[in-house]
Amino acid sequence: GDSVTQMEGPVTLSEEAFLTINCTYTATGYPSLFWYVQYPGEGLQLLLKATKADDKGSNKGFEATYRKETTSFHLEKGSVQVSDSAVYFCAQTQTDSWGKFQFGAGTQVVVTP
Amino acid sequence: GAGVSQTPSNKVTEKGKYVELRCDPISGHTALYWYRQSLGQGPEFLIYFQGTGAADDSGLPNDRFFAVRPEGSVSTLKIQRTERGDSAVYLCASSRPDPINEQFFGPGTRLTVL
Repeated sequence: GDSVTQMEGPVTLSEEAFLTINCTYTATGYPSLFWYVQYPGEGLQLLLKATKADDKGSNKGFEATYRKETTSFHLEKGSVQVSDSAVYFCAQTQTDSWGKFQFGAGTQVVVTP
Repeated sequence: GAGVSQTPSNKVTEKGKYVELRCDPISGHTALYWYRQSLGQGPEFLIYFQGTGAADDSGLPNDRFFAVRPEGSVSTLKIQRTERGDSAVYLCASSRPDPINEQFFGPGTRLTVL
């Protein structure tokens, strides 16, 4: 069935390091892809999204490119800050089941000074 | 403006009891979603409303779970004959009509079934 798989955490980095969180999806159709973030003590919030192949979503220095050929939507940031410490969730929804979102298990990122 | 609110924030109940969880979405958001999140997991889709109607309820695990949204605003998730396995954080989110739009999540209701 359709699913989203993301790398396990925690991912521990030093400030200013490069961050990559891998996300792959399986889908029968053409999903729209999302990254949501949950900061400590807060609710989930949208970080970025991409709705079709080769689209790049970006926000707050984070980027992710919708790669249909590898069914991936990896999240990257060139220089992380302590404030980026959070849990990151990859998600998809498909045109034939619009509104039914599938989330990955989440990846905890810890950035140390 | 006010965000998505959920009540209660915590609910402890005994196995076999009935519970209701309430969600107040952002005003004007016609789409409303319920999820269940277990520790260390991502949100698991339960049901999606557009207005008053359930557009997709395929995530409800069994017939003990039911959700309503009678006036297209507030929604209630109802769980009958609760089981210990129902213990989780229940999240509600709302958005503008198109699911491509950002979902705004509430703080969740932590349900514990003893």
